[in-house]
Amino acid sequence: EAGVAQSPRYKIIEKRQSVAFWCNPISGHATLYWYQQILGQGPKLLIQFQNNGVVDDSQLPKDRFSAERLKGVDSTLKIQPAKLEDSAVYLCASRRDRGLGEQYFGPGTRLTVT
Amino acid sequence: GQQVMQIPQYQHVQEGEDFTTYCNSSTTLSNIQWYKQRPGGHPVFLIQLVKSGEVKKQKRLTFQFGEAKKNSSLHITATQTTDVGTYFCAGYNFNKFYFGSGTKLNVKP
Repeated sequence: EAGVAQSPRYKIIEKRQSVAFWCNPISGHATLYWYQQILGQGPKLLIQFQNNGVVDDSQLPKDRFSAERLKGVDSTLKIQPAKLEDSAVYLCASRRDRGLGEQYFGPGTRLTVT
Repeated sequence: GQQVMQIPQYQHVQEGEDFTTYCNSSTTLSNIQWYKQRPGGHPVFLIQLVKSGEVKKQKRLTFQFGEAKKNSSLHITATQTTDVGTYFCAGYNFNKFYFGSGTKLNVKP
């Protein structure tokens, strides 16, 4: 089966600009996660979707970050306006359901904010 | 809040030596998963542990889940250069994953 797709793979923007990342999970996977991974750290959960509903967004900086998963398939994560500290790899992962089972990660989008 | 701590942060070993990374949670976990991330890559699932005291083996890798379901370990016997990467634990509780900070393993040939 095809893996989790993400685009773009790399993005360089200036602070205060906006950026959007796209994720297409594995077909049939109900649960979708967005993680932020700062260099040298573990992935930090930003938001979790179950189908098209938000399960958890407690660590999403909602003043600048937004995410949606219309129709319960692909998802978009947006940052507006970006700050220097947003420089990180943004990983999308999907899982068949919220129960037991592995997360499948996409290749990530490396964001550099200058 | 929920925290998952992982030690050591780095480990440099000679090829053939053993390696262990430890994961500790501030609260009891429903289950724990382990992932490996190669340099420049994304996390790849290794295993999931669910039961108290569970031990699972994958060739040279041995995974343990503590009796209290608050700690876990990954042990690699006779490391090889292909084991290079960062190993993360991810504790699962209240429908959320909490990743440790990872242990970066370097293997010298």
